Amino acid sequence: GAGVSQTPSNKVTEKGKYVELRCDPISGHTALYWYRQSLGQGPEFLIYFQGTGAADDSGLPNDRFFAVRPEGSVSTLKIQRTERGDSAVYLCASSLDGTILIGSDTQYFGPGTRLTVL
Amino acid sequence: GEDVEQSLFLSVREGDSSVINCTYTDSSSTYLYWYKQEPGAGLQLLTYIFSNMDMKQDQRLTVLLNKKDKHLSLRIADTQTGDSAIYFCAESMSGNQFYFGTGTSLTVIP
Repeated sequence: GAGVSQTPSNKVTEKGKYVELRCDPISGHTALYWYRQSLGQGPEFLIYFQGTGAADDSGLPNDRFFAVRPEGSVSTLKIQRTERGDSAVYLCASSLDGTILIGSDTQYFGPGTRLTVL
Repeated sequence: GEDVEQSLFLSVREGDSSVINCTYTDSSSTYLYWYKQEPGAGLQLLTYIFSNMDMKQDQRLTVLLNKKDKHLSLRIADTQTGDSAIYFCAESMSGNQFYFGTGTSLTVIP
């Protein structure tokens, strides 16, 4: 597609439930990033994929959070036993190859999935 | 961990210049960025600066970096109503993991 897409755009769930959030990166982009943005805050880094592998998952808050990217394209962020504090907008971004040469690469963000845990 | 701070709100009149400020703590930051977030839209990269630069100009945008004070600013010349948005500064050492500020909400008064 033309940009990064995320589904669903909104998700309401009950405390203790399991949720999956999907990210479709720009075609051909090998690097994929997940962020969480709480109300009134900036995005908080969660995890970075290079291809199929998680190159840096140091931002995942605890073991209830897990993300996969089995074919190096679409990624799914999975949250188990959701808590009210997980309510936030979850942002996905992709970049061509994740190189640090900013002149040749940059992150493109999706519109986000708004997760509400009741 | 890294700490990036911004003032929360800024209000300017249309046609005036806007200056949005940011301070950061990680002296090893290699890249510093400014992003714009409009309601219902994804974050959009506006401009960036390498840590070995003092200034970068890109059309109406001017970025100033004071590395000694760890202070970054974004100046928007001739601010328009379409510039109303939340502006985030971000820093990165590796170009992979980014640390964002809390965002500055810019309101442009016609």
